Amino acid sequence: DVKVTQSSRYLVKRTGEKVFLECVQDMDHENMFWYRQDPGLGLRLIYFSYDVKMKEKGDIPEGYSVSREKKERFSLILESASTNQTSMYLCASSPPTGSSYNEQFFGPGTRLTVL
Amino acid sequence: AQSVAQPEDQVNVAEGNPLTVKCTYSVSGNPYLFWYVQYPNRGLQFLLKYITGDNLVKGSYGFEAEFNKSQTSFHLKKPSALVSDSALYFCAVRDGGFKTIFGAGTRLFVKA
Repeated sequence: DVKVTQSSRYLVKRTGEKVFLECVQDMDHENMFWYRQDPGLGLRLIYFSYDVKMKEKGDIPEGYSVSREKKERFSLILESASTNQTSMYLCASSPPTGSSYNEQFFGPGTRLTVL
Repeated sequence: AQSVAQPEDQVNVAEGNPLTVKCTYSVSGNPYLFWYVQYPNRGLQFLLKYITGDNLVKGSYGFEAEFNKSQTSFHLKKPSALVSDSALYFCAVRDGGFKTIFGAGTRLFVKA
């Protein structure tokens, strides 16, 4: 089974702090994604990466950055946390586009609260 | 631009009755369509997908979905609902590229 793990299930930070959310997958997937999930808005893509050191902005990248130094690890960084970044953050991975298994595999999520 | 609509915020159904969770989509080109389920305090879990072929797709836990190209719909169905099916369901569409667009989600309540 594919396993996607996230470093924390719950996180509480203060406004202005720099926050790191870590995601690791064990299936050698090329693609990795960061989403935020808010009630009534579904999942919105923040950033994705299709290879090591490659990254692309998603639909809501403002206030976030990412790092992918190794294939299995994709980090989301909140440069200066703000209260409107309080949300559930979901990491996902998938095989390359065009392969037969192109659904995404999700981690359990990190519920971040910014005070 | 791709889009997905789940017109119902919530669906209520009695245990043993059939259930339908609706989804319509808009995409240029051939759509790749997915359903995911989220149980409380968990990440999303893949249920089924339509890539090509038969319009009726069977997935996990007895769920199935019907692809209708003319109506641009991909409704999720199950012949007999279980209380344990109560969860948040997301429809998603992808156009063959990297990005997947998710609907807002539909909460399913199955009453015993």
